[in-house]
Amino acid sequence: EDKVVQSPLSLVVHEGDTVTLNCSYEVTNFRSLLWYKQEKKAPTFLFMLTSSGIEKKSGRLSSILDKKELFSILNITATQTGDSAIYLCAGLNAGGTSYGKLTFGQGTILTVHP
Amino acid sequence: NAGVTQTPKFRVLKTGQSMTLLCAQDMNHEYMYWYRQDPGMGLRLIHYSVGEGTTAKGEVPDGYNVSRLKKQNFLLGLESAAPSQTSVYFCASSPLPGTVPSYGYTFGSGTRLTVV
Repeated sequence: EDKVVQSPLSLVVHEGDTVTLNCSYEVTNFRSLLWYKQEKKAPTFLFMLTSSGIEKKSGRLSSILDKKELFSILNITATQTGDSAIYLCAGLNAGGTSYGKLTFGQGTILTVHP
Repeated sequence: NAGVTQTPKFRVLKTGQSMTLLCAQDMNHEYMYWYRQDPGMGLRLIHYSVGEGTTAKGEVPDGYNVSRLKKQNFLLGLESAAPSQTSVYFCASSPLPGTVPSYGYTFGSGTRLTVV
């Protein structure tokens, strides 16, 4: 059974801090690792990582995948109160009867205080 | 551009009642999914479908049934609701993995279900 574990489960920081969120995975027929941000409603897509060692960036957010050690990190620099959200990572299974399934981690609840 | 639409948005059921949640997508996606989200548990897959007329069990299928009679619709049924099914339910759809460069699910806005 596929498994994704995130840490920490919650994090409280002040504006301007830099945070690192962790995601480890055990996914058979692994294809990609995806990151989502969830505020009040549905998760919104941030990144998809398929290759090891290639950093993806979007503004103050960046992420990288290590397929040898089976983990990914999401970095947020110069945090703002608008970054407060649940951050979810998910592993994509691309094999056999599980083709296309995303297995999610528990999520990291990030709270940024002014 | 509706994307993925879920109905209803909120519902309160009594134990033993039945109901159906509807998910509709207008993006011609092949894959559709039903997840539930509980505090501290992330999103857990209930059932999914890889095409019209097909369904498969996910991680937590017990107590739920699904049907995909039309490509654009994916229905989730609760035959006899239990308090343990109190949760937020999300539907999602996706094209075939790998068919678009920035693959990712499109989620509906969720249904908050309370079973009393």
